[in-house]
Amino acid sequence: DTAVSQTPKYLVTQMGNDKSIKCEQNLGHDTMYWYKQDSKKFLKIMFSYNNKELIINETVPNRFSPKSPDKAHLNLHINSLELGDSAVYFCASSQVWGLAPDTQYFGPGTRLTVL
Amino acid sequence: GENVEQHPSTLSVQEGDSAVIKCTYSDSASNYFPWYKQELGKGPQLIIDIRSNVGEKKDQRIAVTLNKTAKHFSLHITETQPEDSAVYFCAALSRHTGTASKLTFGTGTRLQVTL
Repeated sequence: DTAVSQTPKYLVTQMGNDKSIKCEQNLGHDTMYWYKQDSKKFLKIMFSYNNKELIINETVPNRFSPKSPDKAHLNLHINSLELGDSAVYFCASSQVWGLAPDTQYFGPGTRLTVL
Repeated sequence: GENVEQHPSTLSVQEGDSAVIKCTYSDSASNYFPWYKQELGKGPQLIIDIRSNVGEKKDQRIAVTLNKTAKHFSLHITETQPEDSAVYFCAALSRHTGTASKLTFGTGTRLQVTL
C-alpha cells in the first residue's frame, strides 16, 4: 500500500552515462514533483507537474528531462551525467496545485552516485 | 523568491526534555508552513503543518506556532523520545509564477535525543 514509490533506490553509474528514475503514486493525486537533496541535506524543488503538464522548472539543466506518461507517474531522465549530479532525488505528490495549502507526500528517494 | 532560514542546524537533548526548532521566512504572502521529519535513508514525512490564518496548532507532543508579523514559525516537541531523533525540515509555500506555488525548505535540523 505504498503511497509514493521510486525505482531504483540506489543508482551507481559512470560520468557521461544516461539514466532514468521512475516514480509512481497511488494516491490519486493530480500534482507530482521532483526534488534534489544534496550532500548537505538541502532539499530543493526541480520540477512540478499537474495533470501531466509541466508547471515548474526550477532552472534545471536541459540534461534533466522529466516525463509524465499519466497522472500517476513522473519519471526523470538524466543525460550525460556529471559528478555534481550525485545526490538523493525525491519524488513527491499532492492532491492540489497552486496556492491552496496541501500536503506533499514524499517517496523513499533514489540515491544517485556518479563516479 | 522565498527564503527560509532554520536554526539550529544540530540539537541534542536528553530524553524527556523539550526541543524547539525555529524558522524564518521572507515572503509575507506565504500561506502554508509544514514541518517534515526525515529518518535515515527515508523520504521526508509530514509531522505537522499550519496555515497562515492560525497562530498555533498542537498534535499530542508536537506543536507549531506562527508569528506572521515577525515572519517566523517554530516547532516544539515535548517529552522527547529516542525515536524523535531525525532531521527536521521546515518549509513555506509561496507563489512561484502565475498561480503555481512551490515549497521552499529550510536547511534542516539534526535532532539527537540521548538517553
